Amino acid sequence: LAKTTQPISMDSYEGQEVNITCSHNNIATNDYITWYQQFPSQGPRFIIQGYKTKVTNEVASLFIPADRKSSTLSLPRVSLSDTAVYYCLVAGGATNKLIFGTGTLLAVQP
Amino acid sequence: EAGVTQFPSHSVIEKGQTVTLRCDPISGHDNLYWYRRVMGKEIKFLLHFVKESKQDESGMPNNRFLAERTGGTYSTLKVQPAELEDSGVYFCASSQDPRAGDRPDTQYFGPGTRLTVL
Repeated sequence: LAKTTQPISMDSYEGQEVNITCSHNNIATNDYITWYQQFPSQGPRFIIQGYKTKVTNEVASLFIPADRKSSTLSLPRVSLSDTAVYYCLVAGGATNKLIFGTGTLLAVQP
Repeated sequence: EAGVTQFPSHSVIEKGQTVTLRCDPISGHDNLYWYRRVMGKEIKFLLHFVKESKQDESGMPNNRFLAERTGGTYSTLKVQPAELEDSGVYFCASSQDPRAGDRPDTQYFGPGTRLTVL
């Protein structure tokens, strides 16, 4: 399974757009990129998933360049409640085993 | 629709005792997973059930851990006897059969059980 690398932490202010980049140089052809969000004292929560180009939902956007060796999670106009750890995972369709890295702790300040 | 629930939310036991954690997946989800995070480490996969069958138990740390899912509904994870290094947060997750639309890596997590072994 592809290993991912992402920043340990990021700081932002309310109302700003936040972009968290994840590197996955060894991504395989059938791998998808999935992002989870985790608040303190809760389990991880699925937020977005993509294979290539751009995916957008009500929570975030996911940008994936043509070589797929990295991806960027974009959170528009963050609020204090977006303070959480964000995990980037890469997995192929045949596996059910999620491999979590250290994640990125996003701290949003007023 | 109710999410994944876990019981208890916290458990404090002494070394050598037995603890049983329970997970109730989302209704209709055939796939059930156990993960854990021990202090300072990353969330690690323990095992995966498809209905009542163990599909992958490659992450189970040793034979002190026993997971069951009788009837293919809720699951229990028993630790016997508990050791200090078993302290951490145990998460349960569930997912649909992929034929229902979600990919296998779209999993729904419970809030976790925080286990402290003294």
